[in-house]
This record gives sequence, C-alpha cells and structure tokens, in this order.
Amino acid sequence: ETGVTQSPTHLIKTRGQQVTLRCSSQSGHNTVSWYQQALGQGPQFIFQYYREEENGRGNFPPRFSGLQFPNYSSELNVNALELDDSALYLCASSTGTSPSEQYFGPGTRLTVT
Amino acid sequence: RKEVEQDPGPFNVPEGATVAFNCTYSNSASQSFFWYRQDCRKEPKLLMSVYSSGNEDGRFTAQLNRASQYISLLIRDSKLSDSATYLCVVKAAGNKLTFGGGTRVLVKP
Repeated sequence: ETGVTQSPTHLIKTRGQQVTLRCSSQSGHNTVSWYQQALGQGPQFIFQYYREEENGRGNFPPRFSGLQFPNYSSELNVNALELDDSALYLCASSTGTSPSEQYFGPGTRLTVT
Repeated sequence: RKEVEQDPGPFNVPEGATVAFNCTYSNSASQSFFWYRQDCRKEPKLLMSVYSSGNEDGRFTAQLNRASQYISLLIRDSKLSDSATYLCVVKAAGNKLTFGGGTRVLVKP
C-alpha cells in the first residue's frame, strides 16, 4: 500500500451539481497531483499542489479547482458537473516540484447522471 | 497527435511466452520515462523507470530510443499475474507526468 488515501470511494452526482474529492498524501510528501482517468484511457493531469500553492495545471477548465492544506492533504473541487466529468479521479503523492516517482491513491469513481 | 501513444491491445500471450510493446512520444524535450502497471479498477503503480542505456528488472526489460522517440517494454516468461494494463509515462521539464492510453496484456494458461 502507498499510504495515499482518497475519499469517497464512489460518488454519484447530477449534472450541474458540485463535488469535492479528498486526498491524504503519504507521510513526508509535500506534493499532491490530481489526475482524471476516463474509462479505457490513461490518466490526464489536472493540476499539482506543492506546499499549498498550485504548481502547474493541465488542460482543464476553471471549474476544476483545488486546495492543499498545511498537512499537505488536498481537495479537488468540480463545479457545474457535466456528464463527461464521469471518471476515476486519482491523486498522487510525491516530494518536490519535479518528482520522478508518484504514489497513487486508490481513486474516487465519480458518476455524473 | 497525442503526446504519448500506445497500442491499446489486447496482447494475448501464452503463459511462459515473451511479449514486447512500444510507446511513442512527441515531445523531443522529454527527460524522464517510466512504465506503470494498472490492474483492473485499481490505481497505477510504478513498474520501472526507463534509462537511456536500457535497464532490466527481473523478467522486465525497458529500452529508450531517443532518436526515434519511443520506449519499449519486454516481458519474458510471462506469468498469469502479469495480466494488466501497462501505461507509458513521459515527463518533460517540470512537474507534469503525461500518460499514454495504456496497453492491455492478457496472459493465458
């Protein structure tokens, strides 16, 4: 086990709603990266947080936002949910701003109906 | 063109056989390369980093060809437990890991 935890495990939301996903990083890690993995595809980078600041962002609209807390845990918030937001959301824990290895949590499976 | 491309497979492999597959990347400035393994409905896990000179870890061998911009993974003496999706991952300068779509491998008795 990586020591990275995510909650909730599964979630069902309705289009237009808002959702918050949570991630606790591995002990000693100060960086959290979030990924979206649609069915049958590889994970897509959403953004990264390092020491409570956003440190890089992928091609996702502003309705995807996040936070990192002093204990380095993190939240991913998605507003105005769309059907295409249905995916597995993975967080990955690491150290530093240019990690060579990231440790993934088990993911949150979000279904938007 | 996708930044990282993989043959989605599946590669159906008899137990004990050898299987190999490639991944191509478009960014010539890419600096680091990895293979991750992902089991069905589980999170990705690092299988191995890929070094310029090529590297081996037990039954797994990874190669990097910078001139042609591809990396490869070879699995020898395939085990049933090797059945998984293998994700090619590329990192340019900075913090972003770019994943390919994955290659599915099914090892059969």
